[in-house]
Amino acid sequence: GAGVSQSPSNKVTEKGKDVELRCDPISGHTALYWYRQSLGQGLEFLIYFQGNSAPDKSGLPSDRFSAERTGGSVSTLTIQRTQQEDSAVYLCASSFQQGGETQYFGPGTRLLVL
Amino acid sequence: GENVEQHPSTLSVQEGDSAVIKCTYSDSASNYFPWYKQELGKGPQLIIDIRSNVGEKKDQRIAVTLNKTAKHFSLHITETQPEDSAVYFCAARGTSYDKVIFGPGTSLSVIP
Repeated sequence: GAGVSQSPSNKVTEKGKDVELRCDPISGHTALYWYRQSLGQGLEFLIYFQGNSAPDKSGLPSDRFSAERTGGSVSTLTIQRTQQEDSAVYLCASSFQQGGETQYFGPGTRLLVL
Repeated sequence: GENVEQHPSTLSVQEGDSAVIKCTYSDSASNYFPWYKQELGKGPQLIIDIRSNVGEKKDQRIAVTLNKTAKHFSLHITETQPEDSAVYFCAARGTSYDKVIFGPGTSLSVIP
């Protein structure tokens, strides 16, 4: 079966532009996470969706960042008015929360803001 | 909330030697502790996990130990090989509906 997929794999944008990053989780997985990873750094938690519950947005660094998950499946992370410090790899992970906790990560989207 | 610390941040070992990475967590309610390996240019991948009702778990050259009293858990890799070179992340989680909290990572280099 297919794993977690993310698109685009790479994105170069100009400062001030908006970007949308997409995550397709593994079918049937109820939990979905977004992380940000700067070069050589750890995983910075951004947002967590679990089933139909309200998402945990406690990791979003500013109001320029938002995410949604439509129909409990595909998720989109939107960064408005991008800044150079937004440059990083954005990783998505999904898991089947009930009875299994393994997070399956996608390959990430490498964002470069010029 | 949960906080996970990890040491060392970088580790170099000779091929064939053992490597040990240690983590501590703050929330005594945490009961699930996974370890992830991230190779260059890829997303992290689960390599082993342990639950709070178990003190040790082994899988070939990899073992994890958990000390719930001290809130410590460790990853042990024996007979290291160059392909073990990667960044390793420990993590902790409470209930099934809590989010997983990751440590800052350890960059392991195995020198041939």
